[in-house]
Amino acid sequence: DVKVTQSSRYLVKRTGEKVFLECVQDMDHENMFWYRQDPGLGLRLIYFSYDVKMKEKGDIPEGYSVSREKKERFSLILESASTNQTSMYLCASSRPVGSGANVLTFGAGSRLTVL
Amino acid sequence: AQSVTQLDSQVPVFEEAPVELRCNYSSSVSVYLFWYVQYPNQGLQLLLKYLSGSTLVKGINGFEAEFNKSQTSFHLRKPSVHISDTAEYFCAVRMTTDSWGKLQFGAGTQVVVTP
Repeated sequence: DVKVTQSSRYLVKRTGEKVFLECVQDMDHENMFWYRQDPGLGLRLIYFSYDVKMKEKGDIPEGYSVSREKKERFSLILESASTNQTSMYLCASSRPVGSGANVLTFGAGSRLTVL
Repeated sequence: AQSVTQLDSQVPVFEEAPVELRCNYSSSVSVYLFWYVQYPNQGLQLLLKYLSGSTLVKGINGFEAEFNKSQTSFHLRKPSVHISDTAEYFCAVRMTTDSWGKLQFGAGTQVVVTP
């Protein structure tokens, strides 16, 4: 089975702190995604990456950055955390479009609270 | 651009009763359609997908969905639910022209199954 592992399930941070959310996948997937999940809003795409060192903005990139130095690892960075970034963050990975297996596989999520 | 509307935010249902979760979408191009389920404190898991072919799609755990192009809908059904089906369900679409496999999600429907 494809495994997408998010290292921190629960984090509590202070306003202004720099926050790193880490995601690792073990199936050699090219594509990786960061979504944010909020009640009543569903999942919204923050950033995605289709290759090492390549990244694209999603629908709500403001206040976030990402890093993909290795194929299996995709990090979400909050440079200066704010209370409106309190949310559940979900990482996902997939094979490229056209490979016949382009289905997103999700991690268990990281619940971030910013005080 | 595309959007996804899940018409019910919460659906209470008795055990062994049928359930239908409604999903409508809008898109300027053709789409692929997905249903994901999120059990408490877990990530999202794929229930089923429609890519092409038969408009009736069967998924895991006894769920099925029907793609209706004229009504731009992809409603999810199960003829008899179990307590273990209590979860949040997300409808998602991907434009067939999207190069990266990005998904656009609905707001989610919380299903609560009671004895």
